[in-house]
Amino acid sequence: QVQLVESGGAVVQTGMSLRLSCAASGFTFSTYGVHWVRQAPGKGLEWVSFISYDGSNKHYVDSVKGRFTISRDNSEDTLYLLMDSLKPDDTALYYCVRDYVEFGDYGISVFDLWGRGTMVIVSS
Amino acid sequence: QSVLTQPPSVSGAPGQRVTISCTGGNSNFGEGYDVHWYQQVPGTPPKLLIYGTNNRPSGVPARFSGSKSGTSASLAITGLQAEDEADYYCQSFDISTGGGVVFGGGTKLTVL
Repeated sequence: QVQLVESGGAVVQTGMSLRLSCAASGFTFSTYGVHWVRQAPGKGLEWVSFISYDGSNKHYVDSVKGRFTISRDNSEDTLYLLMDSLKPDDTALYYCVRDYVEFGDYGISVFDLWGRGTMVIVSS
Repeated sequence: QSVLTQPPSVSGAPGQRVTISCTGGNSNFGEGYDVHWYQQVPGTPPKLLIYGTNNRPSGVPARFSGSKSGTSASLAITGLQAEDEADYYCQSFDISTGGGVVFGGGTKLTVL
């Protein structure tokens, strides 16, 4: 079954760190770029970060640059998001999302496979 | 404030045609970047509806179509059905402020 399953969400205090994981199955994880997209309660979608299929290319939204680090382990079919210095504005459901095409370029990102998300709540 | 602007809400009766606009600018659509559309039923993850302006993934009904002209794009839904009630998001790529993937603010479709 082709799927992405996120984990690691929790309730934390401002300034703390958290690592999210996303386990991929049912497809060749190592040939797809993957992203994190978040959605604050009752709000719209916000792209957070991208990592290329081989981990050589990474991008972040300005609001998390310097605080979040995306990484992947293709031998374990797993995507990670290390979140440091968390702020209340980071409170959201975090989705792991796969690119539509294999070996796709960052500039043509299309999200065709979504996990169910993992909730991060940052209390002040 | 989203780089891509969508109306907060639209509505239509069953069987009718509705359109959802997505207004961009010179740093996204004007640069030639494509538009993609997602449907999100509350409580579930988004689903890819249209990619590359007007391409439907397998399983998406032909009632859904997209278009783009200049710095604006739109999603059209014909033969509106109750199950189409959901939030719809447009998405593209923007080269301003460091560049990145961008979403519209989302449009709530109500089927009357």
